[in-house]
Amino acid sequence: KNEVEQSPQNLTAQEGEFITINCSYSVGISALHWLQQHPGGGIVSLFMLSSGKKKHGRLIATINIQEKHSSLHITASHPRDSAVYICAVRYVSNYQLIWGAGTKLIIKP
Amino acid sequence: GAVVSQHPSWVICKSGTSVKIECRSLDFQATTMFWYRQFPKQSLMLMATSNEGSKATYEQGVEKDKFLINHASLTLSTLTVTSAHPEDSSFYICSARTSGTYEQYFGPGTRLTVT
Repeated sequence: KNEVEQSPQNLTAQEGEFITINCSYSVGISALHWLQQHPGGGIVSLFMLSSGKKKHGRLIATINIQEKHSSLHITASHPRDSAVYICAVRYVSNYQLIWGAGTKLIIKP
Repeated sequence: GAVVSQHPSWVICKSGTSVKIECRSLDFQATTMFWYRQFPKQSLMLMATSNEGSKATYEQGVEKDKFLINHASLTLSTLTVTSAHPEDSSFYICSARTSGTYEQYFGPGTRLTVT
C-alpha cells in the first residue's frame, strides 16, 4: 500500500465544473504539498499546508491532520487547468517528500 | 521570489557520452537541493539530496558514480549523467530549499533523451 494515495487517478470534466481531488496518507506528517505538473513536465508548487485551509484564486486546499486527508478543489474549472495534480507529504522528522501518483485532470471546453 | 531554473530544458545525447544539467536558485540561497527523476506516467523519484559544500546523499538504488552531483555554491547544483544509456532517458527535476524552511521550490525540469 502506498503511503500517499490520491483519488481519482483520472478525471475528465466540463468547463465550469467544481473539481475535487483527494489525497490520503498513512504516516505522521508535518506538511503536505499540492503541485501541478503541465504536459511539458514543469512543476508548479500550488500550496503547502500544515493545517486548515488555503485559497489562491480558484484553487482551495484543505487538510485534516486527524483524518490524514487533504483535498484540492478547483472552482469554475477551465481547460487551462488540465494538468496532473500531485500530492506530496513531508515526514515529521525530516524534509523528504513522499509523492502520490498524481491525478490527471482534463477539462473539456 | 523563490525561482529555480534548470538548464538545459531538453537535451539529446548519444549513448556513451556525458551530459550535465544545471539547477540554479535565482533569488535565494539554496542550502539544500534535491534531484528527482520521473519516468513517463510515473511519480517523481528522489535520486539524491545535496547540501552546499557537502557530498550528496544518494537514495538506495541510485548509482553515485553514474549520477554525479555537485553543489559547489549556494545557488548552483549540477547533475552529470555519465556514460549515458538509453535507459537514462527521463525527465530530471531539481528543487531547492533554504535554511529555516522546509518548503521546496521546483525547477521546470530537463528532458533527457539518450539515443
